[in-house]
Amino acid sequence: EVQLVESGGGLVKPGGSLRLSCAASGLTFSNAWMSWVRQAPGKGLEWVGRIKSKIDGGTTEYAAPVKGRFTISRDDSKNTLYLQMNSLNTEDTAVYYCNRAALAGRYYFDYWGQGTLVTVSS
Amino acid sequence: QTVVTQEPSLTVSPGGTVTLTCASSTGAVTSGYYPNWFQQKPGQAPRALIYSTSDKHSWTPARFSGSLLGDKAALTLSGVQPEDEAEYYCLLYFGGAQWVFGGGTKLTVL
Repeated sequence: EVQLVESGGGLVKPGGSLRLSCAASGLTFSNAWMSWVRQAPGKGLEWVGRIKSKIDGGTTEYAAPVKGRFTISRDDSKNTLYLQMNSLNTEDTAVYYCNRAALAGRYYFDYWGQGTLVTVSS
Repeated sequence: QTVVTQEPSLTVSPGGTVTLTCASSTGAVTSGYYPNWFQQKPGQAPRALIYSTSDKHSWTPARFSGSLLGDKAALTLSGVQPEDEAEYYCLLYFGGAQWVFGGGTKLTVL
């Protein structure tokens, strides 16, 4: 059974930083392109960014609102995906979901975690 | 800024058929936008239903189907069940690894 478990959410002040983790099991993590999606309270889904597998280059892409502030990384030895969030502002308050976005360039967005809540407030 | 538009809300009777659509502010949606569809119920994570316009995941019920309808992507539910009441989101690819979600359609089964 595939499981993605996010952690690291919490309350942070504007301008602060937070690192989210996503622990994966039940899938070949090293082959997976992974992404982060967020959802502000009562709002719709927003794609945050994705990272390719290392074998496919390991490159990252980000949505405009987070580019330059957020960094996606991965540790295949730990089957874990990360989202480093810096210079946080109140608009970043959301539930953050990790998901398996693709395999070898074919996008599926099939498996999702349950999400972790990030609240940015003074 | 690219905008993806869905119907804010739709109502369907149990056993009926309903089509949800997904439009792009850049023009006609084609297979090159790799439309994806997701279902989300309150308090739950999104669940993937359709990828690459019309391909189903192994868990996607047969009553769900994806297609292109005119200049939009579409999700059709045939023989709607009460448990299909949920928010539905489409997701489109705009190149450069950029993906954009639609605003969601709240489907009521009444």
